[in-house]
Amino acid sequence: GNSVTQMEGPVTLSEEAFLTINCTYTATGYPSLFWYVQYPGEGLQLLLKATKADDKGSNKGFEATYRKETTSFHLEKGSVQVSDSAVYFCALSEGGNTPLVFGKGTRLSVIA
Amino acid sequence: EAGVAQSPRYKIIEKRQSVAFWCNPISGHATLYWYQQILGQGPKLLIQFQNNGVVDDSQLPKDRFSAERLKGVDSTLKIQPAKLEDSAVYLCATSIGTGFGYTFGSGTRLTVV
Repeated sequence: GNSVTQMEGPVTLSEEAFLTINCTYTATGYPSLFWYVQYPGEGLQLLLKATKADDKGSNKGFEATYRKETTSFHLEKGSVQVSDSAVYFCALSEGGNTPLVFGKGTRLSVIA
Repeated sequence: EAGVAQSPRYKIIEKRQSVAFWCNPISGHATLYWYQQILGQGPKLLIQFQNNGVVDDSQLPKDRFSAERLKGVDSTLKIQPAKLEDSAVYLCATSIGTGFGYTFGSGTRLTVV
């Protein structure tokens, strides 16, 4: 079946550091890929998405590129802020109304 | 537009008791999902509705969990009787259709003691 694997956390960075959170997936078809963010005490929010190979999703300084050849969708940000501290989830969907399949999440803590 | 509303926000019950969660989706969103998020893990699908019909309930522990979506709008998820391992956040999500993404509620945090 479909699955998503994320790098283990927690990740602790200093403010303005470069962030990479690795995500790889296994899918039978050509899924859409997503990054969701969960701030403390809040629900899941869509951060960015990509629907086909080589697409780049971006939002709030975060980027991720859909790499079909490596089945990856790594999340990057050039300069993190304290306000980026949250749990980040990589997810996929096979399209239509099929449900999201999530990775385990990666907790990011950014210190000033 | 209003988001996905869930209630209660928190619930603490003793094992073997019953509990119900409620979800009010975004107006017009035909597809509704219930997910279980155990601490330290990603959300796992329990059940998917399309309007008031069940699309996928293969991951729902049917001996103790039940869910319904009356008139294709609000939905309730019930656990009876609860076990300690049911402690988790229960998330409701809705979707309007292909490519439009999914909107999540804030969840109900259940603690079974």
